[in-house]
Amino acid sequence: EIVMTQSPATLSVSPGERATLSCRASQSVSSNLAWYQQKPGQGLRLLIKGASTRAAGIPARFSGSGSGTDFTLTISSLQAEDFAVYYCQQYNNWPRAFGGGTKVEIK
Amino acid sequence: EVQLVESGGGLVQPGGSLTLSCVGSGFTFSNSWMSWVRQAPGRGLEWVAYIKPDGTEKHYVDSVRGRFTISRDNAENSLYLQMNGLRADDTAFYHCGNGGWAPDAWGQGTLVTVSS
Repeated sequence: EIVMTQSPATLSVSPGERATLSCRASQSVSSNLAWYQQKPGQGLRLLIKGASTRAAGIPARFSGSGSGTDFTLTISSLQAEDFAVYYCQQYNNWPRAFGGGTKVEIK
Repeated sequence: EVQLVESGGGLVQPGGSLTLSCVGSGFTFSNSWMSWVRQAPGRGLEWVAYIKPDGTEKHYVDSVRGRFTISRDNAENSLYLQMNGLRADDTAFYHCGNGGWAPDAWGQGTLVTVSS
């Protein structure tokens, strides 16, 4: 069973700054990795799939990179609506697995 | 716009049963793999089960296999999760998603609380 580890658990960033979130898999998941955003009381919003492909309607300030075991989500210039919890998820194997999340909060 | 709306959650005693429903719209439900994930308060996300478009293939996480059953009714654009033998650690928000790999839409969830 693959374990996904995200770091840091909390990231304090000022609006307009860059945020870099990390995700590590316990074994290779190739490029079968997705990133989601979640706000309180809402469902998951798909941001990135295939490690680097933005989902429909996702702004260009969100970008993903990596393959194998190490992945990064970058938000180039944080907007007010971007403060939320972000999860990575592998879909290379069953069971699918999520990371524990990174909370991006206002500094 | 893709929409997924879950219902059926509530308070149930340990050992009890509950059936969750999810209605989808804005996409071709009958062509879509569908999934359930759960999110326990203060804990992480766990992918519970997913099902093939025609219902002939189903996958379950070990913690629910033999107790939960995923099913669907494509004529009603509906997905179900029948939950038997409920335990305290099944307490969570349950969300449905339109896909079996990286769903591009998820519902807001329905809360299941298992407690005496």
